[in-house]
Amino acid sequence: DIVMTQSPDSLAVSLGERATINCKSSQSVLYSSNNKNYLAWYQQKPGQPPKLLIYWASTRESGVPDRFSGSGSGTDFTLTISSLQAEDVAVYYCQHLETFGQGTKVEIK
Amino acid sequence: EVQLVESGGGLIQPGGSLRLSCAASGFTVSSNYMSWVRQAPGKGLEWVSVIYSGGSTYYADSVKGRFTISRDNSKNTLYLQMNSLRAEDTAVYYCARLAHSSSWFLDYWGQGTLVTVSS
Repeated sequence: DIVMTQSPDSLAVSLGERATINCKSSQSVLYSSNNKNYLAWYQQKPGQPPKLLIYWASTRESGVPDRFSGSGSGTDFTLTISSLQAEDVAVYYCQHLETFGQGTKVEIK
Repeated sequence: EVQLVESGGGLIQPGGSLRLSCAASGFTVSSNYMSWVRQAPGKGLEWVSVIYSGGSTYYADSVKGRFTISRDNSKNTLYLQMNSLRAEDTAVYYCARLAHSSSWFLDYWGQGTLVTVSS
């Protein structure tokens, strides 16, 4: 089974600064059949269900602010929040098929 | 507008059974892949089960043989029948729609229903 490992487990970033979350898979999630990375990112705020932010590793879901971006291919991926806003405080998860990463908690420094 | 509303959670004794419902609106459940994902208190997300539009079903090893996913096309509703419940099944259970059938990206989620297994 594929294991998705996120780092760090938590981070504190000042308002307006960049936040970077990493996700590493134990096997490649790049499918040669369509050259797509089967990797998504979710944001979960306290008391709310997760929200899809990014899919195919780098495609932003409709309505997601452009300060959120995804990058990477194969086994190593990154979610970047270019300028952290107060409303971005949340736990972020990466996902490949039925497997989720353990989550990264983002807080304000 | 797409909406998913779960119901049926509650407090249940170990070994008991519970059926969760997820009423959908704004799209047709039977034409989509649908999933249940759970989250134990203070923990991360755990996939539980999926039902394909064609009717095939799959389960996490942790619930295989105890849980059954199904749908009622006439009610546009997804279900999760949970039997032989254990303390470790305590969690908020979310239903969610897969955005692209084979990708497993979950684009719409319900608000969740809490299942507590305790004596």
